[in-house]
Amino acid sequence: ETGVTQSPTHLIKTRGQQVTLRCSSQSGHNTVSWYQQALGQGPQFIFQYYREEENGRGNFPPRFSGLQFPNYSSELNVNALELDDSALYLCASSLAPNFEQYFGPGTRLTVT
Amino acid sequence: SQQGEEDPQALSIQEGENATMNCSYKTSINNLQWYRQNSGRGLVHLILIRSNEREKHSGRLRVTLDTSKKSSSLLITASRAADTASYFCATDLEYGNKLVFGAGTILRVKS
Repeated sequence: ETGVTQSPTHLIKTRGQQVTLRCSSQSGHNTVSWYQQALGQGPQFIFQYYREEENGRGNFPPRFSGLQFPNYSSELNVNALELDDSALYLCASSLAPNFEQYFGPGTRLTVT
Repeated sequence: SQQGEEDPQALSIQEGENATMNCSYKTSINNLQWYRQNSGRGLVHLILIRSNEREKHSGRLRVTLDTSKKSSSLLITASRAADTASYFCATDLEYGNKLVFGAGTILRVKS
């Protein structure tokens, strides 16, 4: 167990809807990164937050947005869901941006 | 896009045998990391090797890095059924540990 938790575990949404996924960082960690992992693929970097500011973004459209709160927990929001958004969404926290990342168990999102 | 490519895509061995997985990448890196993932759940960090290192050991794990060939290998010795998982290499392209993963190798260890 890494101490990083994610909710919910599973989620089913309809195309066009919006979804919010949540991540609670390991104690003392101020950096959170989000990844999308499609079935049979490796995770892809979505974005990273450091001390409540976005600190880098991967090749994802603006309908993927995030927040980091003062307690360093984080949210991933996806608007106008598409079928291809179906994936495992992983968050990872670290002491600082260039430190080892500890991954949560993920949220499995299914878009129908 | 995926930076790394693991080889083989799948590997099936008997308990006690060694398992070797390879990773190739495309651009210069700061470091390369290996992760394990059980049953499509969270990733577990196994080992990190920096670009100026050639070999690193951790328990039954041995990682090598050849920056001239842009490749790395992960060796698991004396494999156990509990080693059954997917294994990913990941590279750090820029400051902040923004990882780029390969597609992974599925390892099955038969008891």
